[in-house]
Amino acid sequence: DAKTTQPTSMDCAEGRAANLPCNHSTISGNEYVYWYRQIHSQGPQYIIHGLKNNETNEMASLIITEDRKSSTLILPHATLRDTAVYYCIVRVVGNYGQNFVFGPGTRLSVLP
Amino acid sequence: SQTIHQWPATLVQPVGSPLSLECTVEGTSNPNLYWYRQAAGRGLQLLFYSVGIGQISSEVPQNLSASRPQDRQFILSSKKLLLSDSGFYLCAWSTRGDRGQVWRKSNTIYFGEGSWLTVV
Repeated sequence: DAKTTQPTSMDCAEGRAANLPCNHSTISGNEYVYWYRQIHSQGPQYIIHGLKNNETNEMASLIITEDRKSSTLILPHATLRDTAVYYCIVRVVGNYGQNFVFGPGTRLSVLP
Repeated sequence: SQTIHQWPATLVQPVGSPLSLECTVEGTSNPNLYWYRQAAGRGLQLLFYSVGIGQISSEVPQNLSASRPQDRQFILSSKKLLLSDSGFYLCAWSTRGDRGQVWRKSNTIYFGEGSWLTVV
């Protein structure tokens, strides 16, 4: 399985951009990068995913390096409600996607 | 749009009692369905997944079982709960692939709000 490495925790000032890095140096050519977040006591929330090209949606932007060995999730204007654990996932094991493996993630604290 | 509902939200059960957690998905048909468990401060562990009615696959041997009596209904059960069954249980769904594939690598899993189970 491809492994991901994320910082344990990060702080960000409210209103500023939050840039969350993820290393996935063993990613295979056809594996997607997914980002989820989990606010305490809630189910993980899908944010964004991509393969090669940078992606943007109403929640965030995903920047994937050309060699695909790392990526960055960008929350352009962080708010207090963005405080959560953010998970970077690059491996779906098996034929049915049953092993969406969530590591420990990055605990993002948005500070007023 | 698709939605997923899971209940009850919280549950406190004595050791040895039965368990039933229910999950339903709306706005889609023939989804893949999943049950995950998250222990305190830990990552998500896949327990069961289903690609169709009556089709259940177990990832981890345990005293839990799952059933899918209808296309968009997934139930997690136990006949006798153990203390170690305490945790946060999450139901999830994903679309299926094209041409009969049950999964595409670009598919996304969507989670319910979770059920907190405390076994005392």
